[in-house]
Amino acid sequence: RKEVEQDPGPFNVPEGATVAFNCTYSNSASQSFFWYRQDCRKEPKLLMSVYSSGNEDGRFTAQLNRASQYISLLIRDSKLSDSATYLCVVNITPARQLTFGSGTQLTVLP
Amino acid sequence: GAVVSQHPSRVICKSGTSVKIECRSLDFQATTMFWYRQFPKKSLMLMATSNEGSKATYEQGVEKDKFLINHASLTLSTLTVTSAHPEDSSFYICSARDMSGYTYEQYFGPGTRLTVT
Repeated sequence: RKEVEQDPGPFNVPEGATVAFNCTYSNSASQSFFWYRQDCRKEPKLLMSVYSSGNEDGRFTAQLNRASQYISLLIRDSKLSDSATYLCVVNITPARQLTFGSGTQLTVLP
Repeated sequence: GAVVSQHPSRVICKSGTSVKIECRSLDFQATTMFWYRQFPKKSLMLMATSNEGSKATYEQGVEKDKFLINHASLTLSTLTVTSAHPEDSSFYICSARDMSGYTYEQYFGPGTRLTVT
């Protein structure tokens, strides 16, 4: 079983739509969780950290369910510029390296 | 935010030659840097963890004699692909960990696209 699993997509949605991505992780000792965004042929960039209480940053909302070992990302009012691959990332402890999911590809259509 | 640079951004080399890629943290010290490889439409795969002043820790299946890593200072790590072959063609990305905060956030370099002909 992969340490971090994501639905690869692709998700093709119209502008203005709401889209949700899910991610599961296998190690219950995982402590830190992130969503990264990667544009084509570019490096990953941190989109947001994910906290147990859930957190929101503008149109983006991240949720963490430790009991189910499940992380989600919700994007509201999708923009064309949101088109990218979204990577679910888990860190078992702060001192260990990040473990990346395979990414979910999103294309927002005009 | 913190900045990590990589050089070169793109390199084309002939089979059998060696290529060195530099990763620098520009405005923070990084005792740990990571080297990843990414094939088209695939996720990042960690190759090795580079610790300043000590030997790198390689992931299973990564040949340490082929991918030489040197982390001589708190702001510079280098990856040398020795005797490159076409199957080494890939996108190589480094990241550096900022140890100053609790979250130990990692910052990624812009990547180096290697093509071996």
